[in-house]
Amino acid sequence: EIVLTQSPGTLSLSPGERATLSCRASQSVSSSYLAWYQQKPGQAPRLLIYGASSRATGIPDRFSGSGSGTDFTLTISRLEPEDFAVYYCQQFGSSPLTFGGGTKVEMK
Amino acid sequence: EVQLLESGGGLVQPGGSLRLSCVASGFTFSSYAMRWVRQAPGKGLEWVSTLSVSGATYYADSAKGRFTISRDNSKNTLYLQMNSLRGEDTAVYYCAKHQSSGSGYSPSDYWGQGTLVTVSS
Repeated sequence: EIVLTQSPGTLSLSPGERATLSCRASQSVSSSYLAWYQQKPGQAPRLLIYGASSRATGIPDRFSGSGSGTDFTLTISRLEPEDFAVYYCQQFGSSPLTFGGGTKVEMK
Repeated sequence: EVQLLESGGGLVQPGGSLRLSCVASGFTFSSYAMRWVRQAPGKGLEWVSTLSVSGATYYADSAKGRFTISRDNSKNTLYLQMNSLRGEDTAVYYCAKHQSSGSGYSPSDYWGQGTLVTVSS
């Protein structure tokens, strides 16, 4: 099983600041099979990034993904008030499909 | 507009059974693999099961032998039959659609709002 470790657990930032979220895999993940989701309280997850760096439909360009192998990053260039949420990485190329434990981006 | 609407959750005693349903609309249901993902209260996301277009089924170890995923393409509905339920199965259960049609690996681009399953005596 591929274990995904997200860091930090919580990120305290102000609107307008840059957020950098990390996802580290216990073994190599094909970039094609790495995704990021956003989840707000009481809501279902929302696909942000797939293929490590491709934005899903309707996702603003302040969200970007990068990385390869075992290290992946989600960057939010300038935080908007609606971006404060929990973010999960996911690998779906190896069974079982796994998620990281999440990073909470909270308002400072 | 793609919509996924889950139902069937509720309170059940340990050892009991429930069947979750997910009614899909806004896309050609039969052309997409579907998943169930759950989230225990205050916890992260956990994959439960996937059903491919061809009918192949995949389960997390926690679900093997107890849960059965199925679909009725004539009703645009995905199901999850859950038997021998345990306290650790307490969670919100989401159905989710594969982004890409057909077979192959894919993230989930649409999710339902979830249905809460509580296993408790």
